[in-house]
Amino acid sequence: KNQVEQSPQSLIILEGKNCTLQCNYTVSPFSNLRWYKQDTGRGPVSLTIMTFSENTKSNGRYTATLDADTKQSSLHITASQLSDSASYICVVSPNYGGATNKLIFGTGTLLAVQP
Amino acid sequence: AAGVIQSPRHLIKEKRETATLKCYPIPRHDTVYWYQQGPGQDPQFLISFYEKMQSDKGSIPDRFSAQQFSDYHSELNMSSLELGDSALYFCASSLRYRLAGYNEQFFGPGTRLTVL
Repeated sequence: KNQVEQSPQSLIILEGKNCTLQCNYTVSPFSNLRWYKQDTGRGPVSLTIMTFSENTKSNGRYTATLDADTKQSSLHITASQLSDSASYICVVSPNYGGATNKLIFGTGTLLAVQP
Repeated sequence: AAGVIQSPRHLIKEKRETATLKCYPIPRHDTVYWYQQGPGQDPQFLISFYEKMQSDKGSIPDRFSAQQFSDYHSELNMSSLELGDSALYFCASSLRYRLAGYNEQFFGPGTRLTVL
């Protein structure tokens, strides 16, 4: 069973609409949770990073939330654009007691924004 | 701003051959990470280096080895290549210690390895 699971697996929305992607994780203890956007064949690009003590963070049209008690996070995309079409990956960094290194990647949600 | 550079961007090899992938981190970044992403899969952590020493090890096969050099660039050496090694290989770099308590990893564009 994956330590970081995302839903839905894929999503199609119309341009201008909002959407919310979900992430459930079992990694514990964890240091921080990140959302990445990955275009096909490109490297992941960081959207937000939240530590366990933060419960929301925004980056333009992207807003991430975190509930460390229920081990859930969401990424809300507002007023979607065609360029938002990509894979969105939830990534958790375990807390090894020091500076964290390894990232545990979620299964990703493939978002397609249609005109 | 300078980003993580990986070379080559594409590589085609035959089974049992060797391959070397290179990664040049963002200037002043001291930590390098390697990830393997198979078709339709999420990236899997292979190995990381901090100040030229291996700092963490993931699912890196014994046929692979890596090192970080004095200029902080890193190389991933892959021997006895198998068909299943065909994947996108990402390198990421970061500053290990940050005031925020976490280190943001910046990913390179990846090297697409195809094993025939």
